[in-house]
Amino acid sequence: DAGVIQSPRHEVTEMGQEVTLRCKPISGHDYLFWYRQTMMRGLELLIYFNNNVPIDDSGMPEDRFSAKMPNASFSTLKIQPSEPRDSAVYFCASSLGGGAYETQYFGPGTRLLVL
Amino acid sequence: GENVEQHPSTLSVQEGDSAVIKCTYSDSASNYFPWYKQELGKGPQLIIDIRSNVGEKKDQRIAVTLNKTAKHFSLHITETQPEDSAVYFCASSGGSYIPTFGRGTSLIVHP
Repeated sequence: DAGVIQSPRHEVTEMGQEVTLRCKPISGHDYLFWYRQTMMRGLELLIYFNNNVPIDDSGMPEDRFSAKMPNASFSTLKIQPSEPRDSAVYFCASSLGGGAYETQYFGPGTRLLVL
Repeated sequence: GENVEQHPSTLSVQEGDSAVIKCTYSDSASNYFPWYKQELGKGPQLIIDIRSNVGEKKDQRIAVTLNKTAKHFSLHITETQPEDSAVYFCASSGGSYIPTFGRGTSLIVHP
């Protein structure tokens, strides 16, 4: 398997623009997670899905952030409008199930810079 | 919710030395403790994990120990090599099935 795939790998945009990050989980994995990583806050869970349904979005910083999972093989994280403080590395991860011992498999991340 | 503290934030060692990274957790219901390694430009990858019914687990040069009474667990790397240089994250899960991550430790191994 190719692992979790994220695109783009790098994104530079200007404040106020819409940003869309994409993720393809590992085939057969039922759970999908979106994380944000910054020096200040470390690795933060933004939202996660089970069988394409959002389960917990309490980590989404504000209404400018939205996430969708239209099918089992694709998810998007959208920021509209973007702000400089959104600059971070965004990771998508997937796991086979949601049990306590499940391993999360991370994608390579999208490095976002908002000017 | 769960709170995971990780120390140190940066660790610098000479090649061949041992490295120890320590984490504490707050939720007594936690029963699974994975460790992830993040290399530059990549996502975190699981390197070893331990469950609450085990006190120690070893895989070649890497070992993890768990003290449930004190609510802390540690990662031990022996005979460090330059390729061990990375950011290491501990995590804890069980009470909530979604893991809580520590802030990370940047390990630098000098040749």
